[in-house]
Amino acid sequence: NAGVIQTPRHKVTGKGQEATLWCEPISGHSAVFWYRQTIVQGLEFLTYFRNQAPIDDSGMPKERFSAQMPNQSHSTLKIQSTQPQDSAVYLCASSLDTGPSQNTLYFGAGTRLSVL
Amino acid sequence: GDSVTQTEGLVTLTEGLPVMLNCTYQSTYSPFLFWYVQHLNEAPKLLLKSFTDNKRPEHQGFHATLHKSSSSFHLQKSSAQLSDSALYYCALSDPGSFNKLTFGAGTRLAVCP
Repeated sequence: NAGVIQTPRHKVTGKGQEATLWCEPISGHSAVFWYRQTIVQGLEFLTYFRNQAPIDDSGMPKERFSAQMPNQSHSTLKIQSTQPQDSAVYLCASSLDTGPSQNTLYFGAGTRLSVL
Repeated sequence: GDSVTQTEGLVTLTEGLPVMLNCTYQSTYSPFLFWYVQHLNEAPKLLLKSFTDNKRPEHQGFHATLHKSSSSFHLQKSSAQLSDSALYYCALSDPGSFNKLTFGAGTRLAVCP
């Protein structure tokens, strides 16, 4: 089990450019979550999918952020017209539906986005 | 809405001394409470989670007790080790929100020799 895989590990973009972050959840996990981590705000919830369906995107900045889960094996987070304040570590996590570990989120190592 | 408060941003202590990291929460429902730990350059991972039957969860010498009367879930360890130096997040999950976690701001624990 390779765990949650996030690519790229580091991404540098210029202000106004687009950034796409990739996440491969643990095989068999039914839910995928996206969080943003900064020193000031800590871990902020962005959005999550369950069985590929979007369930809650209440943490997503509406205008420039979007997330998709086209199949069971990957999810993407896209940020259009990146701004310096988007600089953060973006974490993806997955979880099971049932069993003793159903409440546990398994996090990937994250993508560090730097907007210059 | 739900919220989690961790009052200490940084806790520094000497190896061998007891650890206590504070966590209080606000929620409309009876949530599950969690502690996640993140070591430098690693992903956050689960350390402890509350039980529904009021048992006290323990892992790697850490324990936490859910006190519903005071809405608290403080993390404790009797003797700190150098390897405990990390970022600790308290989080909650409402029963009706599947596994969506609301995190506190985190407490960085630095253990010195």
